[in-house]
Amino acid sequence: AQSVTQLGSHVSVSEGALVLLRCNYSSSVPPYLFWYVQYPNQGLQLLLKYTSAATLVKGINGFEAEFKKSETSFHLTKPSAHMSDAAEYFCAVTPITGGGNKLTFGTGTQLKVEL
Amino acid sequence: DTEVTQTPKHLVMGMTNKKSLKCEQHMGHRAMYWYKQKAKKPPELMFVYSYEKLSINESVPSRFSPECPNSSLLNLHLHALQPEDSALYLCASSQDRTGVRQPQHFGDGTRLSIL
Repeated sequence: AQSVTQLGSHVSVSEGALVLLRCNYSSSVPPYLFWYVQYPNQGLQLLLKYTSAATLVKGINGFEAEFKKSETSFHLTKPSAHMSDAAEYFCAVTPITGGGNKLTFGTGTQLKVEL
Repeated sequence: DTEVTQTPKHLVMGMTNKKSLKCEQHMGHRAMYWYKQKAKKPPELMFVYSYEKLSINESVPSRFSPECPNSSLLNLHLHALQPEDSALYLCASSQDRTGVRQPQHFGDGTRLSIL
């Protein structure tokens, strides 16, 4: 079964600092990978997706992620944090074929941005 | 604004009540999903509909009954719920093309409280 591990349930950065949220996947075949963000009292919003095209994926709000097969990683980064980035971030995986497009989520990382 | 609309936003019900959650999308998506999300946890898949047919039921108790009347609408009928069913219920939709995984788009959810 496929899974993702998000290292660090809470990450705190200063405004203007680099954001790095870690995600490692477990799969014998590289899957499709997604990052979602959830603001308080809202649903999940898709930030970006990896679907086996370019390994460096650019998303919304200045976020990007790089797929590294050798490290089984798909870490999310943003060069300069903004207060509005404070939210819960979920990494998710789905198999390329089969499985009915089931998303398996990581446990989430709460990002705090401080002045 | 999300493209997946869920009503109501909040629902409080007793354990003997019958209520329904509604989800609507007009993106032409043919796959629709129900998730349950407890506080500080990732969403957990409950049901998947593909072309208005139930394709996945993640062993959800029968007190939850999904319905997909047409390609734009997804309902979740609730009856005799337990206090532990209190959670945020999220609906999502995606295109459903064989061999191509499409990202899921989420609504803002219905926050359900069981008295």
